[in-house]
Amino acid sequence: KAGVTQTPRYLIKTRGQQVTLSCSPISGHRSVSWYQQTPGQGLQFLFEYFSETQRNKGNFPGRFSGRQFSNSRSEMNVSTLELGDSALYLCASSSGLGNTEAFFGQGTRLTVV
Amino acid sequence: QKEVEQDPGPLSVPEGAIVSLNCTYSNSAFQYFMWYRQYSRKGPELLMYTYSSGNKEDGRFTAQVDKSSKYISLFIRDSQPSDSATYLCAMSDSQGAQKLVFGQGTRLTINP
Repeated sequence: KAGVTQTPRYLIKTRGQQVTLSCSPISGHRSVSWYQQTPGQGLQFLFEYFSETQRNKGNFPGRFSGRQFSNSRSEMNVSTLELGDSALYLCASSSGLGNTEAFFGQGTRLTVV
Repeated sequence: QKEVEQDPGPLSVPEGAIVSLNCTYSNSAFQYFMWYRQYSRKGPELLMYTYSSGNKEDGRFTAQVDKSSKYISLFIRDSQPSDSATYLCAMSDSQGAQKLVFGQGTRLTINP
């Protein structure tokens, strides 16, 4: 059974640019959550999508957005990149029904220069 | 004050020792408690998943939850060098696995 796949693994962008990250969840899972991991703040919840709808949202500015497609794949977009957006972005896959385990991908390491 | 507090370490112990990792939390709505292991440059890997108070054992790992004290623990018996990693506690309320609140993570090194 394939795990959670995130692409790309590494990304370098310039301040002011925008970036799109992709996450394919475990087959059959309908919920995708996104997290930002930095040395200073640790792992912080960005948002969660379930059946193409945003169901939960963390405390991040509107520059961070996402969407989910009918096949449950999800994308996260960050516009007008800032140096502080440099982080490991992780997505987690779960069934989305009831309280079940969340499984993480390997992450996308974004560096903003 | 953070909702979940975890000593970042680092923690270094000899091979074979019993390791105790802990987290405290302030939100009494948390009902689901997890421990993840994260190796360098990898995503977090789910180790233990528990609901409400009590103990859960899986091989060399034991998770304990004390909701009355808002305190959770992970014990690793017969620790191995391959256990060297960062251990993250995570918890959630009724929204479950879809919105986790994490501790800062404890960096653990097992010395051969």
